[in-house]
Amino acid sequence: QSALTQPASVSGSPGQSITISCTGTSSDVGGYNYVSWYQQHPGEAPKLMIYDVDNRPSGVSNRFSGSKSGNTASLTISGLQAEDEADYYCSSYASSYSSTTLVFGGGTKLTVL
Amino acid sequence: QVQLQESGPGLVKPSETLSLTCTISGSSISSNYYWGWIRQPPGKGLEWIGSILYSGATYYNPSLKSRLTMSLDASKNQLSLKLNSVTATDTAMYYCARIQHWFRWVDPWGQGTLVTVSS
Repeated sequence: QSALTQPASVSGSPGQSITISCTGTSSDVGGYNYVSWYQQHPGEAPKLMIYDVDNRPSGVSNRFSGSKSGNTASLTISGLQAEDEADYYCSSYASSYSSTTLVFGGGTKLTVL
Repeated sequence: QVQLQESGPGLVKPSETLSLTCTISGSSISSNYYWGWIRQPPGKGLEWIGSILYSGATYYNPSLKSRLTMSLDASKNQLSLKLNSVTATDTAMYYCARIQHWFRWVDPWGQGTLVTVSS
């Protein structure tokens, strides 16, 4: 399976909202509600932010939300804060006639202006 | 609180075998979760390597499958990775992690260990 498609970078000012898209196919994003999102600060391991498309783990700010339409999932961050500046990755369960895999997006660098 | 810690050589020669161990605390490796490896080349994105369940169910990245072996050791509560015939393109930060069924999410992650393939 190919990697999911994310924009290389997005930016926003403090207090604004931004959305990061994650586009796949009917064999991954579009076929299952098993999309998750991860935040990664430089030098750190990724951190789970959203699972099953639109669920937040305990402890994750409600400024983070997820959604999906067709083959594209989205992560929205509202009320941008300086600490949100990081790389963000989506992932999805993927299944075809030949294999079952976990696929990641290429990552999106969020800059808070 | 589940914690994972990777260990292994930081430098591997080309054509040799990369071997890593992940020690898990706070959860039994025989619990009903997958355990897996994910890597990240310097400055690049995440790549899933594979996932294994204690029952024996194993899923590997098709692009690595021919070189890859993953196993679990319940006596030590450890996950291991062996990747043979490595090249410079295998240079990456290697993370071990707990993975939910249907690969719904990956959490928690270990801190990662950097492996460089170089002579």
